This record gives sequence, structure tokens and C-alpha cells, in this order.
Amino acid sequence: DTEVTQTPKHLVMGMTNKKSLKCEQHMGHRAMYWYKQKAKKPPELMFVYSYEKLSINESVPSRFSPECPNSSLLNLHLHALQPEDSALYLCASSQFVVGFTNEKLFFGSGTQLSVL
Amino acid sequence: SQQGEEDPQALSIQEGENATMNCSYKTSINNLQWYRQNSGRGLVHLILIRSNEREKHSGRLRVTLDTSKKSSSLLITASRAADTASYFCATDALGIQGAQKLVFGQGTRLTINP
Repeated sequence: DTEVTQTPKHLVMGMTNKKSLKCEQHMGHRAMYWYKQKAKKPPELMFVYSYEKLSINESVPSRFSPECPNSSLLNLHLHALQPEDSALYLCASSQFVVGFTNEKLFFGSGTQLSVL
Repeated sequence: SQQGEEDPQALSIQEGENATMNCSYKTSINNLQWYRQNSGRGLVHLILIRSNEREKHSGRLRVTLDTSKKSSSLLITASRAADTASYFCATDALGIQGAQKLVFGQGTRLTINP
């Protein structure tokens, strides 16, 4: 199984809602990532988890709260988002975190988020 | 933070022709990777080239790396309609907390016309 599964595929939420994005992989990877991608732009890194510990937070606003319950799961909790947060949110995993070896990332299909 | 610049931003060619896209980066790297993204989907890893390698092949893909010019190129030979996608180069860079991260270039949108 070389898949990274993200749910939901589409999400529409109001600015006062609380929602969560979910990501799952069963490749035994120990690093997991959240990227944000606006239309016609490259993915931008938000968070990195290595061995279930947060290793990188790219100064992401606190209305985005990541969680790694175990080595296979990664969540992104959303609260009080703004319309400009509308984007494609991509989860990725790699065997080990980028930087230790020549790691390649496996991406999920993403969650298309619209904030009204 | 370091980010690759890709050229051209958009490329439209006829099926069967070769497509070449370029990536330039700013600081020294350990490796450079290329990814493909179909519209609205996740990215798919294509090829990784290490800093001590100059050329690498994978099927119809050929990647070159010139570390003296801090640039790389991706060549897709005998293009097919299914190659229509955005192509991103990615390089390692230091994150805010000093850990390594993968940073993507602006991307080239490739359209293959039947």
C-alpha cells in the first residue's frame, strides 16, 4: 500500500466553524507533512512531524492546529478560519524526515477547502 | 527561504514533441527532485538527482543538474496527452527551526495538444 489517504476531499465551512482534516498512511513512514497550496502556486510547507513529534511549524497561525495521534495518522484542526485560508491542503509522508537521507514525499490527493 | 524558479511558467506543445522545463535555485543543495501534479490532485514524485550526479534517466524522463549554475532541467521525450500537468522542482532548505524541509519551485504548466 503506497497510498496517502486524505478526507474529506472537499470541505466548505463558515468562519465560525470547527472542522478537521484527516490523513492516513500505512507505509510505515515516520515523517508526515501538511502543505497548503493556492491556485496556480506551489505547495507551501505548514507543519512537519517526525516520529510523532512536531519538528517544523512554519509560523502558521494558531487557527490551524496539527495533531499526530500515532505514526499512521495526521490531523489538521481548523477553527475560526478566514476566507483567504481557502486552498488545497495536502498531506504527505516520507520514510524519514527530509534532510537525513534522500527522501521523497508521497502525497495524498488533498482536501479542497472553501471558507465562506 | 530558498525556492526554485522555473522556466517557462507555461508550455504548450504537440503530442509526440519533446518538452523541456528548467529550474534554478539559490543556495547549495543535497539533492533536487521533480514532481508532477495533475489539476487539483496531489503531487507525484518523478525523479531525484543527487548533488554529485549530473544526469539521470527514468523512462521518458531525463533530468540534468548543473550545480555550478545552480540549475536543473527536466526533459520529457515523445510527449503524450497524459503528460498534461504541472511540474515542480523541489530542493532542500532550512526551515525556521533549523530543520531541513523540501521547498517547491513555482512550477511549469505543461499542456500537450493532441
